[in-house]
Order: sequence, then C-alpha cells, then structure tokens
Amino acid sequence: GAVVSQHPSWVICKSGTSVKIECRSLDFQATTMFWYRQFPKQSLMLMATSNEGSKATYEQGVEKDKFLINHASLTLSTLTVTSAHPEDSSFYICSAAGQGNSPLHFGNGTRLTVT
Amino acid sequence: RKEVEQDPGPFNVPEGATVAFNCTYSNSASQSFFWYRQDCRKEPKLLMSVYSSGNEDGRFTAQLNRASQYISLLIRDSKLSDSATYLCGESGGYQKVTFGIGTKLQVIP
Repeated sequence: GAVVSQHPSWVICKSGTSVKIECRSLDFQATTMFWYRQFPKQSLMLMATSNEGSKATYEQGVEKDKFLINHASLTLSTLTVTSAHPEDSSFYICSAAGQGNSPLHFGNGTRLTVT
Repeated sequence: RKEVEQDPGPFNVPEGATVAFNCTYSNSASQSFFWYRQDCRKEPKLLMSVYSSGNEDGRFTAQLNRASQYISLLIRDSKLSDSATYLCGESGGYQKVTFGIGTKLQVIP
C-alpha cells in the first residue's frame, strides 16, 4: 500500500528558531499533500493543502508566513515552522493519497516541542 | 456545529464484547468516508473506507446512512489490541479529509 514517510519524528527547539519537516511519498507520486496538526486530546486539524508546483492553500486561521510549505517535487513536501513559539508545540502530520478518492495515508508524524 | 462529531468516550468494554461507534457529519455533499485507528502518540492508520452499501473486514463492519448523515463502526469480539482511538473522517472531494475528535476505546481483560 501507499507509504508516506515523515522526518524528523521528533524535534526540540528553542523559541525563535525555525524547524523544517519533510514529508515524502515513497511508492507513489502525490500532486497534493496535506499538513495536519494535532494538539493533545484534540482532533486532527487541517493546516494547509500542499500543491506540487504551486502555492499551498491554507485553512482559515493558519498563518502562511509562519508555516511555510514547499512542494517542489511529486514526492516531497516540506513544512517549515518559522520563529517557533511554545504554543506551536504540537504533533504535525502530513498525508497524501493516490488518485481519485483514495483514502489518505499518513506519515509517522513529527512531535515538535518548543522550549 | 462541528463538521464531524464523535463521542470522545472513553468506551470501556470487556474482551469479547461487541461495541459500536457512531459519527455524524454536517456536509451533505460529502462523498467519501473513512475510519482510522490512532494509537497513543502515533499517526492515524486507515482501518477502512466506508461505502454506501456497507462493508465488512473481519470483525469490523462499517455502515453509512446518508439520510441521517452518520457513519458507524461495529467491532465484534473485541480484543485487547483493539484499544485505541477511532477517528472518522469525511471528504467532499479533492482528497481533503475532515476528522472528528476520535472515540477512545479501552478493551479490558
């Protein structure tokens, strides 16, 4: 089945620094990838839709200048959390799907802790 | 009103029991529905897609009721390993999925 790989699995950084998270589709090409965020005991919340070769589409309330998304190839999307603050500490998960209405497959997630 | 609503639980059931979860959705244009399983501090893993005719995979049965806008998941003969959070998701197209908060299941020996 479809495999999505995410790196790193966890990261601890200081306030004010930037963190880059990579998401790769390993056995299929993904023109669209999705970035979700999940706070403890909360639902997965969609942050943005990453489109290969074009600008990402952000959900309401998500700052595009803070969460930079780059989808430079059909197998790689990156999310950069810029000037991270403690409130950005969360579980960030990317996902991708094959063609049509195929179900999403998720990366293993990145647990970000900002101190 | 939330787009996808689930009872967060927890549902505590003994081994071998049958348990059912419901999930309601507000988008009448939703096209695709899914159940995912999420273990603590892990990513969600697809359990099954939900089809209009209902579908079954071993001990798991999923059903869709479009008229009442809900999907259900039935787990028979619960195992300890079924303990997890079960997320339902719906998509109106373009692969974008909206998830509920998840229902926590704890199977007790």
